[in-house]
Amino acid sequence: EVQLVESGGGLVQPGGSLRLSCAASGFTFSSCAMTWVRQAPGKGLEWVSSISDDGGSSYYAESVKGRFTISRDNSRNTLYLQMNSLRVEDTAVYYCAKDLYGFRGVFDIWGRGTMVTVS
Amino acid sequence: EIVLTQSPATLSLSPGERATLSCRASQSVSRFLDWYQQKPGQAPRLLIYDASNRATGIPARFSGSGSGTDFTLTISSLEPEDFAVYYCQQRSYWPPITFGQGTRLDIK
Repeated sequence: EVQLVESGGGLVQPGGSLRLSCAASGFTFSSCAMTWVRQAPGKGLEWVSSISDDGGSSYYAESVKGRFTISRDNSRNTLYLQMNSLRVEDTAVYYCAKDLYGFRGVFDIWGRGTMVTVS
Repeated sequence: EIVLTQSPATLSLSPGERATLSCRASQSVSRFLDWYQQKPGQAPRLLIYDASNRATGIPARFSGSGSGTDFTLTISSLEPEDFAVYYCQQRSYWPPITFGQGTRLDIK
């Protein structure tokens, strides 16, 4: 079964740090670009960051640039999001998602999300 | 940044009726427009990509159309499980990828 499972969320004070993980299974992780999308409570979806299959290219939303770092370990089938200098407005459910094909930004598989609360 | 505007914000219909959801882009996105469905407490699910291609396992009652700045998601005959929030997403000249604000499809 194709699956993504996020972990690492929790309660953190403003200015603090967290590292989210996303464990992938059921597909060839090293061949797939990956993305983090977040959703603040009661709000819509916001793209956060994406990384290519080999980790050589990455992109960030302006709202997180310079504070968040996306990375991956293809030997562990795991995607990461290091979040530093957290702000109240970073409070959200964070989803990891797999790209359908290439590095196109079409997300066909999503995890269930992990909640990050900055307060 | 390309802004996507979805309309209506809320759509109230009955099972069996036809639903038409709109997404308008602030500038042309060609056909790089996708649709997602999200139910309460669940992750989004990909329905349509590249404006009109159904994702794997998506029923034929879901269809997408449009190009440039105007796009439509049509559900031909609503089933009870279709009542959810629908988001459009563009990925033309990304980053950034942007989402519309969503259309809530309610049971009338």
